Amino acid sequence: DAKTTQPNSMESNEEEPVHLPCNHSTISGTDYIHWYRQLPSQGPEYVIHGLTSNVNNRMASLAIAEDRKSSTLILHRATLRDAAVYYCILRESQRGNMLTFGGGTRLMVKP
Amino acid sequence: DSGVTQTPKHLITATGQRVTLRCSPRSGDLSVYWYQQSLDQGLQFLIQYYNGEERAKGNILERFSAQQFPDLHSELNLSSLELGDSALYFCASSVAPGQAGGTIYFGEGSWLTVV
Repeated sequence: DAKTTQPNSMESNEEEPVHLPCNHSTISGTDYIHWYRQLPSQGPEYVIHGLTSNVNNRMASLAIAEDRKSSTLILHRATLRDAAVYYCILRESQRGNMLTFGGGTRLMVKP
Repeated sequence: DSGVTQTPKHLITATGQRVTLRCSPRSGDLSVYWYQQSLDQGLQFLIQYYNGEERAKGNILERFSAQQFPDLHSELNLSSLELGDSALYFCASSVAPGQAGGTIYFGEGSWLTVV
């Protein structure tokens, strides 16, 4: 299985940018990089995904390394509502496209 | 609101009993996924259905079974319940299973407590 490695936890100050790293050195050419987050007592929520190019949406930006072995989720201005567990996941075409969750990064946002 | 509806939201039952968790996918989604989240195991994939047929199987116990009906809603049946089955059970849906670039939407979960 292609796996991802994320720091267990990170802290950020409110209204500052946050860079959440993810390593996926065994990624294959057809694997998409997905980010989901889970707020307390809620189901996981889609954040962003990409294949090779950097991606932007209203929630965040995704920066993908040229060799695709790592990526970074960027929250441009963290708010208290962004405190959650962030999961970096490789969506594997060969395995039915389900999401395989790892431990994720618990983001704490300080006011 | 993701559009995925799960019932019941909370359920307390005794060991040895059987329960059924229900999921209605987002309108237009043909694929349904079930996940289990416990404190010590994190989010574990259980099973996936697409248009009524089983598509992929994960770490689902033999005491658990699922099905997807013609109207696309799905049920997860948990039998001979044990204390260790206490967990949050999430249902998720997507348009189709063959799109690695597609989005999967999760429901709010059904919280099962076995006493």
